[in-house]
Amino acid sequence: IVMTQSPATLSVFPGERATLSCRASQSVSSNLAWYQQKPGQAPRLLIYGASTRATGIPAKFSGSGSGTDFILTISSLQSEDFAIYYCQQYNNWPQAFGQGTRLEIK
Amino acid sequence: EVQLLESGGGLVQPGGSLRLSCAASGFTFNDYAMAWVRQAPGKGLEWVSIISASAGSTFYADSVKGRFTISRDNFNNMLFLQMSSLGADDTAVYFCGKGRIWEVVTPVVNWGQGTLVTVSS
Repeated sequence: IVMTQSPATLSVFPGERATLSCRASQSVSSNLAWYQQKPGQAPRLLIYGASTRATGIPAKFSGSGSGTDFILTISSLQSEDFAIYYCQQYNNWPQAFGQGTRLEIK
Repeated sequence: EVQLLESGGGLVQPGGSLRLSCAASGFTFNDYAMAWVRQAPGKGLEWVSIISASAGSTFYADSVKGRFTISRDNFNNMLFLQMSSLGADDTAVYFCGKGRIWEVVTPVVNWGQGTLVTVSS
């Protein structure tokens, strides 16, 4: 399964909302996760099951979708939200990550 | 607090072998699936392998199948990745990760800080 994220880079003003997309080449049901990674750090799980926030993740992060099309929405962007975001399907073998979306300050 | 500490990375010649280890603490190790994910310098994340809590199920990325072997020691709370026939494409930071549940249909909930493997002559 190939995971395709769009856009590759997203420029957004602080305080605004960001919408990131992830598409699977075939259905992954709801077995889709989103991660955030900042430079020099390990990734952090944000969302699993397509829409369930991981422990400690604020409500500003929300996920939706099922099957092949998924969305990560981040509201009221703050400086600490600017990072690279990856989706991952864990429904089929081998598991796969998308290529990432870089969220940058406009 | 969940802690995952990778070790065993370093410089290895092409065609060589290396064994990575991950020491886990802060949770009941034998209740959770564990995984390895790697990241080449300046590149995105690449899923490598996963093992179920009981070690009854293992899966591998096509790029490492037949060359890498994942294993675990539930008595000593350790995860391993035995790597052989290494090539330049295997150069990456290797992250150890804890799953959300015992089975392999799971995202990576907790991550170590990674260990760098460099394959070069």
